[in-house]
Amino acid sequence: RKEVEQDPGPFNVPEGATVAFNCTYSNSASQSFFWYRQDCRKEPKLLMSVYSSGNEDGRFTAQLNRASQYISLLIRDSKLSDSATYLCVVNIGGTYKYIFGTGTRLKVLA
Amino acid sequence: AAGVIQSPRHLIKEKRETATLKCYPIPRHDTVYWYQQGPGQDPQFLISFYEKMQSDKGSIPDRFSAQQFSDYHSELNMSSLELGDSALYFCASSFEVPAIQYFGAGTRLSVL
Repeated sequence: RKEVEQDPGPFNVPEGATVAFNCTYSNSASQSFFWYRQDCRKEPKLLMSVYSSGNEDGRFTAQLNRASQYISLLIRDSKLSDSATYLCVVNIGGTYKYIFGTGTRLKVLA
Repeated sequence: AAGVIQSPRHLIKEKRETATLKCYPIPRHDTVYWYQQGPGQDPQFLISFYEKMQSDKGSIPDRFSAQQFSDYHSELNMSSLELGDSALYFCASSFEVPAIQYFGAGTRLSVL
């Protein structure tokens, strides 16, 4: 079982839809959490950090549930340009190790 | 703003050859990470350096070695290349940890 798991998708949604992704982690020492987006054959780019209190950045909302060991990403009013792979990244506390999830592929359709 | 610079962007090698990938972190970043991403896979952590010392090690093969130099740039040395080493190699940098990692554009290595 991978330390960080995501539904690989693809999630095919129409423009304007709301879509949510979950990411579960198994290491209880996980300390910091991030969502990155990766376009095909390009480098991962930070979408947002995930804080315990939850955080929002425009159409994107991230939440952390430490008790159930998962984080979520909600995208509202999907745009064609949101089509990408969304990677959940977890830092193991006290280490320099960042574990990537397998990524969830999103396709926003016109 | 300056980003993480990786060179070369593309590299073609034959089996059993050696390759050296370079990474120049964002100025003032003290931590460098190397990742390998195979086709259709997520990035796999290889190794990291903090203040020129190895700080953590992941699934890096013994045929690979890396170091961080006094100017904070890092090099990943790969020897006895195998077909399975063909992948995208990303370098990322951050200031301390836990912190946001910023990724370079990657080096695409093809082993023929």
